[in-house]
Amino acid sequence: EAGVTQFPSHSVIEKGQTVTLRCDPISGHDNLYWYRRVMGKEIKFLLHFVKESKQDESGMPNNRFLAERTGGTYSTLKVQPAELEDSGVYFCASSRDTSTDTQYFGPGTRLTVL
Amino acid sequence: SQQGEEDPQALSIQEGENATMNCSYKTSINNLQWYRQNSGRGLVHLILIRSNEREKHSGRLRVTLDTSKKSSSLLITASRAADTASYFCATGAIGAAGNKLTFGGGTRVLVKP
Repeated sequence: EAGVTQFPSHSVIEKGQTVTLRCDPISGHDNLYWYRRVMGKEIKFLLHFVKESKQDESGMPNNRFLAERTGGTYSTLKVQPAELEDSGVYFCASSRDTSTDTQYFGPGTRLTVL
Repeated sequence: SQQGEEDPQALSIQEGENATMNCSYKTSINNLQWYRQNSGRGLVHLILIRSNEREKHSGRLRVTLDTSKKSSSLLITASRAADTASYFCATGAIGAAGNKLTFGGGTRVLVKP
């Protein structure tokens, strides 16, 4: 069984540009989560999808961040326009049906905004 | 202090020794999960322990949970150089829809050969 995959592994962009991160969860996992770790801080929750619906987006920092999960399979996280403070590692995780199940994390996307 | 805080922040041991790290949290939880992160890589899930469980084992790993003290410990026995990594605890709070996890800052473990 393939694990959670994320693309790209690294992204370096200029301030003001747009970046789109992609996450492919484990097949059959309805729950998909986005987290991020900015420099020197803890890993923080961003949002949670159940299938294609946003269950909880309380962690999204501002309206420059837009997450989608059309069709309930893979998810994208777009940052537009990117700011310096958006630099960090963005993790995606997925879990099976129950909300208290193990979350399996992808390798992360390291985003650097110059 | 923050939810899911690990202690110590850093730990250096010799290969073959045991490593113990602790995690404290503030709110009531459904479950607590331990993860490992090797340098520059993703988070690897180690163990999930539910709020009605007190101890779980997986190979050389032993996790305890004391909900009365709101704390958990991770013990790695007979450590190996490959155990060098950062270890994180993450809690899923009761009442939090969808089990979003709250992470601590992690414990950096260095196992010297």
